[in-house]
Amino acid sequence: QKEVEQNSGPLSVPEGAIASLNCTYSDRGSQSFFWYRQYSGKSPELIMSIYSNGDKEDGRFTAQLNKASQYVSLLIRDSQPSDSATYLCAGGDTGTASKLTFGTGTRLQVTL
Amino acid sequence: DTEVTQTPKHLVMGMTNKKSLKCEQHMGHRAMYWYKQKAKKPPELMFVYSYEKLSINESVPSRFSPECPNSSLLNLHLHALQPEDSALYLCASSQAYGDYEQYFGPGTRLTVT
Repeated sequence: QKEVEQNSGPLSVPEGAIASLNCTYSDRGSQSFFWYRQYSGKSPELIMSIYSNGDKEDGRFTAQLNKASQYVSLLIRDSQPSDSATYLCAGGDTGTASKLTFGTGTRLQVTL
Repeated sequence: DTEVTQTPKHLVMGMTNKKSLKCEQHMGHRAMYWYKQKAKKPPELMFVYSYEKLSINESVPSRFSPECPNSSLLNLHLHALQPEDSALYLCASSQAYGDYEQYFGPGTRLTVT
């Protein structure tokens, strides 16, 4: 059973701080990882894709991948109240093309 | 502007009704997906189409019937649903089959009474 695990939270950070979201995955062959942001009642929005070990930065977001440790993270710098949402980590299922294995999501609350 | 659109936004249907959900993508993608998402759960894959052909059916009950008229359009026909089928139905697309980078539409909130 391929799994992606995330802490459900809520993760509470003050405005302006760095939010650190983490996930681990069991599918050792997986090469593709994604972070989706989902506001309450809305659909998931793709915010970061990462395929190689190391860091990938896009604006205030940095995704980190460590394949040896089977660990993916998302850092959000200068957190804003508008970042409050559920963040879903997903990995490509190597057994089924096009299938994503999702974590259960981490709820982030950015406080004023 | 979202490049994957879905209609309707909301749908309430009785257990004996027949209805359809519609999805259109404007990104030139060749793979399209239907997902179901229950509250506080991640999306669950239902169907995948590649070049208008059904590639994956995740053992979905036959009361859900997908259709892909062309590479930009995806329908989900609903018949004899149960209250437990109430959920957010999400359409997604990716550049090609085998490409895991998927973009979701806004979803249809379905309530079965």
